[in-house]
Amino acid sequence: ETGVTQTPRHLVMGMTNKKSLKCEQHLGHNAMYWYKQSAKKPLELMFVYSLEERVENNSVPSRFSPECPNSSHLFLHLHTLQPEDSALYLCASSQWGAEQFFGPGTRLTVL
Amino acid sequence: GQNIDQPTEMTATEGAIVQINCTYQTSGFNGLFWYQQHAGEAPTFLSYNVLDGLEEKGRFSSFLSRSKGYSYLLLKELQMKDSASYLCAVKAAGNKLTFGGGTRVLVKP
Repeated sequence: ETGVTQTPRHLVMGMTNKKSLKCEQHLGHNAMYWYKQSAKKPLELMFVYSLEERVENNSVPSRFSPECPNSSHLFLHLHTLQPEDSALYLCASSQWGAEQFFGPGTRLTVL
Repeated sequence: GQNIDQPTEMTATEGAIVQINCTYQTSGFNGLFWYQQHAGEAPTFLSYNVLDGLEEKGRFSSFLSRSKGYSYLLLKELQMKDSASYLCAVKAAGNKLTFGGGTRVLVKP
């Protein structure tokens, strides 16, 4: 058990759908992250939140919209995605500056 | 820009030693992490180096040379369960981690 949970674990959506990914951390950390992991590509950082404030937006298209209502929860809202957005989306948390703990990921397929 | 290189795949025999190299060129350096990721699972933290030298943790050791932009992860007494991808990641400015492509290690009996 890593202390970071993600739901759903698998998601299939059409290009016109709106869905949200949820992440929750039970470790008392003050920073949370969204990563994208595509086949044969390195893990890509998407967003970083510190104390519920977004501090990094790595040139991610606006069809991905993060939300961090409190230090334990992080959402990724998805809207009008493209097939190339199909990937594993990983959430992580940490104390600022320390090692990051990852959740199990959401496997997203966009049809 | 950030550039992190590690071999794509390595094969080793159970009980042997494997060394996974990672070279990096980054703007700023605040430490280097190694993560293990089994297929279909989350990456898990293995080690962190911020100063030059060797950090040993059981069967796993990690080495860093900042002047050479080089690190390695050493896996000793390989076990079948060590078959996984090993990810090198550099922390540059702020708290941003940049990952290499990962090295898939296959342990054979």
